[in-house]
Amino acid sequence: GAVVSQHPSRVICKSGTSVKIECRSLDFQATTMFWYRQFPKQSLMLMATSNEGSKATYEQGVEKDKFLINHASLTLSTLTVTSAHPEDSSFYICSARSGETGTYNQPQHFGDGTRLSIL
Amino acid sequence: GQNIDQPTEMTATEGAIVQINCTYQTSGFNGLFWYQQHAGEAPTFLSYNVLDGLEEKGRFSSFLSRSKGYSYLLLKELQMKDSASYLCAVRSRRGRDGGATNKLIFGTGTLLAVQP
Repeated sequence: GAVVSQHPSRVICKSGTSVKIECRSLDFQATTMFWYRQFPKQSLMLMATSNEGSKATYEQGVEKDKFLINHASLTLSTLTVTSAHPEDSSFYICSARSGETGTYNQPQHFGDGTRLSIL
Repeated sequence: GQNIDQPTEMTATEGAIVQINCTYQTSGFNGLFWYQQHAGEAPTFLSYNVLDGLEEKGRFSSFLSRSKGYSYLLLKELQMKDSASYLCAVRSRRGRDGGATNKLIFGTGTLLAVQP
């Protein structure tokens, strides 16, 4: 089945550091990837939709200058948390869906997530 | 806008059957998904419904009624390993501005505890 790889799985760093998280679709091409954030005991909140070759679409309330998204190829999207602060500490999860047109019944497959802890 | 409601927590007994309900309000409905998520892990896909009716997959079944904006996930022969959060997610064909989107929006999730 479709596999999504996310790296790193855990990051602990000092306040002010920028952190890059990678999301790769391993056996399929993903023109669209999604970035979610999840706080403890809460559900997944969609942050942005990453589109290959174009700008990401951010959800209301998500700062695009804070959370930089780059989708340079059909198998890789990156999320960079710039100048991270303790309130950015969370579980970040990417997901991808294989194909676009005619494949709307395909489920989104999730990466294993990145637990970000800002000290 | 979009609104998805699920019970926050449920408890059931090993070997029993449990039904987790989900109600939703959305424009441009384009499918409903159920995911399972164990603590600290990423969600895993369980089922998908886009037409009314029941979809069965082993011990798991999911039902959808589009006219009622209602779905449920049925888990049979419960096992201890089924203790997890179950997330209802709705795909909408249209975004807030009416444009095409097909993004997946998640409910708050139902934390299921299976007891011996």
